[in-house]
Amino acid sequence: AQSVTQLGSHVSVSEGALVLLRCNYSSSVPPYLFWYVQYPNQGLQLLLKYTSAATLVKGINGFEAEFKKSETSFHLTKPSAHMSDAAEYFCAALGGGSNYKLTFGKGTLLTVNP
Amino acid sequence: SQTIHQWPATLVQPVGSPLSLECTVEGTSNPNLYWYRQAAGRGLQLLFYSVGIGQISSEVPQNLSASRPQDRQFILSSKKLLLSDSGFYLCAWSVGSLGYGYTFGSGTRLTVV
Repeated sequence: AQSVTQLGSHVSVSEGALVLLRCNYSSSVPPYLFWYVQYPNQGLQLLLKYTSAATLVKGINGFEAEFKKSETSFHLTKPSAHMSDAAEYFCAALGGGSNYKLTFGKGTLLTVNP
Repeated sequence: SQTIHQWPATLVQPVGSPLSLECTVEGTSNPNLYWYRQAAGRGLQLLFYSVGIGQISSEVPQNLSASRPQDRQFILSSKKLLLSDSGFYLCAWSVGSLGYGYTFGSGTRLTVV
């Protein structure tokens, strides 16, 4: 079965610093991969997705992620953090047999310090 | 454009009372529909999914049930709520092309007291 691992349940950065949120998936077949963001008491909003096209994917709000098959990773980055980026981020994978079901990581809470 | 509506936004219910949460989708046909629960510190747990009217798949045995009486309507229910049913419930939909991922509703915060 597909599994998604997010390293670090809580990441804290200073405003203007690099944001790096880590995600690894387990599948012998490269799946579709997604990053979602959740602000307090809101639903999940799609940041970006990888669907076997370009390995470097650009999303909204200046975020991007790189698919690395050799590392089974899909890490999320942003060059310069803003206060408004403070939220919880979820990595998810779809595929590898569970065609209808997204498998989510446990989430990473991003804190941005002034 | 497609939209997803979920209500109510917040709900406080006593233990043992019934529950009905509704989710509707507009602007698409024959969507796949999902109910997730998000409990504090436990990430997102898939509860039910449906690929068509009357077709419900349960992911975990529990005190909840789901129904899909119409193509774009998905209902989450319980006959008797437990304290452990408290959490943030999210409805989502997807279309047949897997690469689009899911679109989520705004969620319902359920507190069982």
